[in-house]
Amino acid sequence: DIQMTQSPSSLSASVGDRVTITCRASQGISTWLAWYQQKPGKAPKSLIYTAYSLQSGVPSRFSGSGSGTDFTLTISSLQPEDFGTYYCQQYRSYPLTFGGGTKVEIK
Amino acid sequence: QEHLVESGGGLVKPGGSLRLSCAASGFTFSDHYMSWIRQAPGRGLEWVSYITGSANSIHYAESVKGRFTISRDNAKNSLYLQMNSLRAEDTAVYYCASGVRGAFDIWGQGTLVTVSS
Repeated sequence: DIQMTQSPSSLSASVGDRVTITCRASQGISTWLAWYQQKPGKAPKSLIYTAYSLQSGVPSRFSGSGSGTDFTLTISSLQPEDFGTYYCQQYRSYPLTFGGGTKVEIK
Repeated sequence: QEHLVESGGGLVKPGGSLRLSCAASGFTFSDHYMSWIRQAPGRGLEWVSYITGSANSIHYAESVKGRFTISRDNAKNSLYLQMNSLRAEDTAVYYCASGVRGAFDIWGQGTLVTVSS
């Protein structure tokens, strides 16, 4: 199985800050990686697919990069509505696996 | 508007069975692969099962293999998860999710399954 490791597990940042979340795969997954945002009590929302492609309707302050084993999700200017938990997910092979999540809090 | 709505969750005793349903609308259901993904209370996301649009390929997580069965009815725009031999560790919110490009673009609101005596 491919293990997905996210860091940090949580962070607190101010509005306007640049925020970076990293995701590492235990083996190469090319760009078969997605990012999701989940707010408390809500279903996850798709942000990015194939490592860097922005889902329709997602603000351009979100961006993704990386390939192989190392990936990043960047929020260029953190907004109040960006709080929540972010998950990466690989779809290179089964079983599909998620990272443990990164909880983002607004200072 | 693309929409998924799960139903069928509830309280069940260990060893019992439950059938979850997911109703799709607003997109061509048969073009989309579907998955069930669960989230135990206070925990992260765990993929459970996957089925292609034509149901010609199915995969399960090892933790549910032999106990859960995924199926779909494209004529009814519906996805199902038959869960047998339920255990306490199956307690979670179960989401159905769909996509066409590898990731899961559309998610339902989830249905809670509680396994407890």
